[in-house]
Amino acid sequence: GAVVSQHPSWVICKSGTSVKIECRSLDFQATTMFWYRQFPKQSLMLMATSNEGSKATYEQGVEKDKFLINHASLTLSTLTVTSAHPEDSSFYICSAEGQAYEQYFGPGTRLTVT
Amino acid sequence: GNSVTQMEGPVTLSEEAFLTINCTYTATGYPSLFWYVQYPGEGLQLLLKATKADDKGSNKGFEATYRKETTSFHLEKGSVQVSDSAVYFCALRNTNAGKSTFGDGTTLTVKP
Repeated sequence: GAVVSQHPSWVICKSGTSVKIECRSLDFQATTMFWYRQFPKQSLMLMATSNEGSKATYEQGVEKDKFLINHASLTLSTLTVTSAHPEDSSFYICSAEGQAYEQYFGPGTRLTVT
Repeated sequence: GNSVTQMEGPVTLSEEAFLTINCTYTATGYPSLFWYVQYPGEGLQLLLKATKADDKGSNKGFEATYRKETTSFHLEKGSVQVSDSAVYFCALRNTNAGKSTFGDGTTLTVKP
């Protein structure tokens, strides 16, 4: 099956700093990638849809200036959490969409803001 | 809009029991339907899918049939194992929506 990697797997940062998370599709090209937050009671919240070569589409309530998404190539999308605050602490998951609209998920990144 | 409603958990079963996790959806047109599974400490992975009415997706002993008349895609397995303990997500993807819609997930625990 298709493989998606995320880096880093976990990160701790101080309040006010920025953190970049990378999402790579290792063995296929992905025109569309997605970024999610997963909350402690397991539900997934879609943050944005990332399309290669164009601006990301953000879900209602997600601040695009705070969560910067760049999809510069068919194998890489990045999420930058700018001026992070403790409430941004969460589990961030990316996915890449396959040809039949199935999604291949990365293992996730645990962000802790102190 | 699109929505997915799945059976609330947690679900606890004994090994070799029969499993059903209900999933119903609301969508326009003819969406593709998916089940994803998240094992403890791991990322989500595709379990099975169906792209049109009456299709049956199957994998690892799990099955789900795309029922357009009841707008359902229930997940079943005849005999669960401890290793099936995980969170299961039902999802749909409409080609005109640009994104998938997920249910809230159902936690399954299988006891030996």
